[in-house]
Amino acid sequence: GQQLNQSPQSMFIQEGEDVSMNCTSSSIFNTWLWYKQDPGEGPVLLIALYKAGELTSNGRLTAQFGITRKDSFLNISASIPSDVGIYFCAGHPSTGTASKLTFGTGTRLQVTL
Amino acid sequence: DAGITQSPRHKVTETGTPVTLRCHQTENHRYMYWYRQDPGHGLRLIHYSYGVKDTDKGEVSDGYSVSRSKTEDFLLTLESATSSQTSVYFCAISVRQGGLNTEAFFGQGTRLTVV
Repeated sequence: GQQLNQSPQSMFIQEGEDVSMNCTSSSIFNTWLWYKQDPGEGPVLLIALYKAGELTSNGRLTAQFGITRKDSFLNISASIPSDVGIYFCAGHPSTGTASKLTFGTGTRLQVTL
Repeated sequence: DAGITQSPRHKVTETGTPVTLRCHQTENHRYMYWYRQDPGHGLRLIHYSYGVKDTDKGEVSDGYSVSRSKTEDFLLTLESATSSQTSVYFCAISVRQGGLNTEAFFGQGTRLTVV
């Protein structure tokens, strides 16, 4: 099946720093989605991207749909303690059933004060 | 909140016993999904449904079956639970935009332990 490579796997940052993570695929995707998951909860949608090159912000979060349609990145500016969690990228591949979402393995973010 | 309720939230069961997890939605979405989440694997699709009595397999469907007799309920059954099925199970619905399924919204999860 489709595979999404997400990096880094984990990161420790200091409060106030900017964070960047990315997701790459060997095949083309039609949509890119970024989720955050807190302990004991389901993933929550942060940003959805639908067009190649699209840059979308949600507060301190910014995500981009790569021009090649094979990658996406998520930036978090001025991190705060509540940013701690696991961030997942996900997308709909261009081939196969449009119903199926493929997920990356996640980036675990930990913030030190 | 997409009106998704999973039950039970936690369950411990013995190897070889049948287990059914329930997902209930209140917003009449056509597409529903069951995922499992395990360390190092992210979220993997087990089965999904695109309407009442219409279901299809995901990438890790072996050992699982599903049923959807009503729009609002999607059931996941482990016919004979094994320890490898110890996991956190998430139900999701997806929203259609422009004829495509786009965002997926998740329930709070069911933690299943098979002993």
